[in-house]
Amino acid sequence: DSGVTQTPKHLITATGQRVTLRCSPRSGDLSVYWYQQSLDQGLQFLIQYYNGEERAKGNILERFSAQQFPDLHSELNLSSLELGDSALYFCASSVDPSGGQTDTQYFGPGTRLTVL
Amino acid sequence: AQRVTQPEKLLSVFKGAPVELKCNYSYSGSPELFWYVQYSRQRLQLLLRHISRESIKGFTADLNKGETSFHLKKPFAQEEDSAMYYCALSGLEEGNNRLAFGKGNQVVVIP
Repeated sequence: DSGVTQTPKHLITATGQRVTLRCSPRSGDLSVYWYQQSLDQGLQFLIQYYNGEERAKGNILERFSAQQFPDLHSELNLSSLELGDSALYFCASSVDPSGGQTDTQYFGPGTRLTVL
Repeated sequence: AQRVTQPEKLLSVFKGAPVELKCNYSYSGSPELFWYVQYSRQRLQLLLRHISRESIKGFTADLNKGETSFHLKKPFAQEEDSAMYYCALSGLEEGNNRLAFGKGNQVVVIP
């Protein structure tokens, strides 16, 4: 078990709604990453936080936002949901993104979002 | 921009046969390449990374910068190798760890 936890496991909601996905990193990991996995786009990087600060942004829509709290857990907020937002959302964590070598990312089990 | 291509979606092999999963990348800087695996009902986990130069579960992968490839190989497939395999790239110059993934290969090992 990698230690990264995500809640909820499954989420079913309607178009136009707003949801919050939660991620707790492994103990000691300062960096949190969010990825979206959909059938057509595959696994895509959304956003990264390091010790509470945004570190990198990927293909994240303006309707989506994230934050990392002082206890290092992170939340991904998805608003004005559309059918196309249905996907598996993964969180990953690592110790430190810098240092001349890429840190190993440990993934959570994912949250499956279904927008009806 | 970082791009990773895994051309074959589904690969079926017989137990004991060799497996090769192709991965090609596009990146202008210094890449770090990874293979991640996802077994049924389990989370994504790191299989191996090019800088480690190690063999994990019999799998090896060599980074070929000339061909911009990082193919995954195993000489004798086992049933427990059935899984989804993702090739991923991280750019050292980026200053972060963001991973660009390929679309993945579904490997089915036939007993």
